[in-house]
Amino acid sequence: KQEVTQIPAALSVPEGENLVLNCSFTDSAIYNLQWFRQDPGKGLTSLLLIQSSQREQTSGRLNASLDKSSGRSTLYIAASQPGDSATYLCAVIPVRFGAGTRLTVKP
Amino acid sequence: ETGVTQTPRHLVMGMTNKKSLKCEQHLGHNAMYWYKQSAKKPLELMFVYNFKEQTENNSVPSRFSPECPNSSHLFLHLHTLQPEDSALYLCASSQDVGTYNEQFFGPGTRLTVL
Repeated sequence: KQEVTQIPAALSVPEGENLVLNCSFTDSAIYNLQWFRQDPGKGLTSLLLIQSSQREQTSGRLNASLDKSSGRSTLYIAASQPGDSATYLCAVIPVRFGAGTRLTVKP
Repeated sequence: ETGVTQTPRHLVMGMTNKKSLKCEQHLGHNAMYWYKQSAKKPLELMFVYNFKEQTENNSVPSRFSPECPNSSHLFLHLHTLQPEDSALYLCASSQDVGTYNEQFFGPGTRLTVL
């Protein structure tokens, strides 16, 4: 059974800092991996989708990497801003979600 | 309307009530999903529909009954719920259930069962 783990569960950083969120999965037979952002009480916003044949995807200040063989993905956020404060979730397809990392960026 | 919409946004119901959640996607997708998000637990996939056919049911209790009349609409019929069913219910859609499966989510329905 696929298990997805996100570390850390919570992270607090000062504004402007670069940071890395981690996602690990136990079964490397995935089709793709998707990173989401969730604001409190809201739905999920798709950030990046990495297909299984890719190693990374970039969008603005975000960069996500995927290493299927080691069962790991990272989400790198450059020059963090208070508006980046949210919970970040990773999901693998076939569908299994991690519990998320709650990020707080302090001004 | 764009993206994925869900109604109602908030719902309070008693254990003996019958209610329905509605999801509509305006993205031309063929696959739709229901998820449950409880406090301090990972998102749980409940049901998957592809081209109106149910392709996945993750051992969801029968008090939750999904309906997909067409590829754009998905319902979740609720009856005889328990307080532990209180959660945020999220709907999502994707092009299909194949390998290129980027999912787009609605804002969710916050359900409280008294």
